[in-house]
Amino acid sequence: AQTVTQSQPEMSVQEAETVTLSCTYDTSESDYYLFWYKQPPSRQMILVIRQEAYKQQNATENRFSVNFQKAAKSFSLKISDSQLGDAAMYFCAGGTSNTGKLIFGQGTTLQVKP
Amino acid sequence: DGGITQSPKYLFRKEGQNVTLSCEQNLNHDAMYWYRQDPGQGLRLIYYSQIVNDFQKGDIAEGYSVSREKKESFPLTVTSAQKNPTAFYLCASSIKRGGIYEQYFGPGTRLTVT
Repeated sequence: AQTVTQSQPEMSVQEAETVTLSCTYDTSESDYYLFWYKQPPSRQMILVIRQEAYKQQNATENRFSVNFQKAAKSFSLKISDSQLGDAAMYFCAGGTSNTGKLIFGQGTTLQVKP
Repeated sequence: DGGITQSPKYLFRKEGQNVTLSCEQNLNHDAMYWYRQDPGQGLRLIYYSQIVNDFQKGDIAEGYSVSREKKESFPLTVTSAQKNPTAFYLCASSIKRGGIYEQYFGPGTRLTVT
């Protein structure tokens, strides 16, 4: 069974600063992958970034990057140069390549202060 | 424009009535999923379907039913047997890209049962 845990219910960051959201996971699968999704007040889920477990290199998408520590089962999201539009709930999710179904963490609400 | 459509955005029902939530996609994705989101919580998988005429239970399937008669459509019925049906329901579809299923979400339906 897979589990995904986000231990920070809320975080805040000053505009233009950097913030890191934490996520830990547990799985017995060898072929798995991890995602971060963003859910703004509109409640539309938006895919932010993905990481394949077999890849050593951390994924990066513009201002968003991950720190994937396989041995520690940690998958944190770093947001650089935070913008007001980054304010949202962020979900970490894990899945396997056979079914595509995802297990989600509880979410972290990010507040961006002007 | 390709995308996932869920209708209606808000749905109200009386206790004891069955209600069907619509999900349509024109992305030509094979797999489709239904999730439930409760306030302040992550998403939990209800049902998923990887091909037409086939579907599997997720983690919280009790009180729900689905059908997959067409590739584009995956309606969810919330039956009167579901004890706490009031929630936000999200439909997703996925495509395998680089060995990974990337899930894309519809805008969601907020169901209120009184």
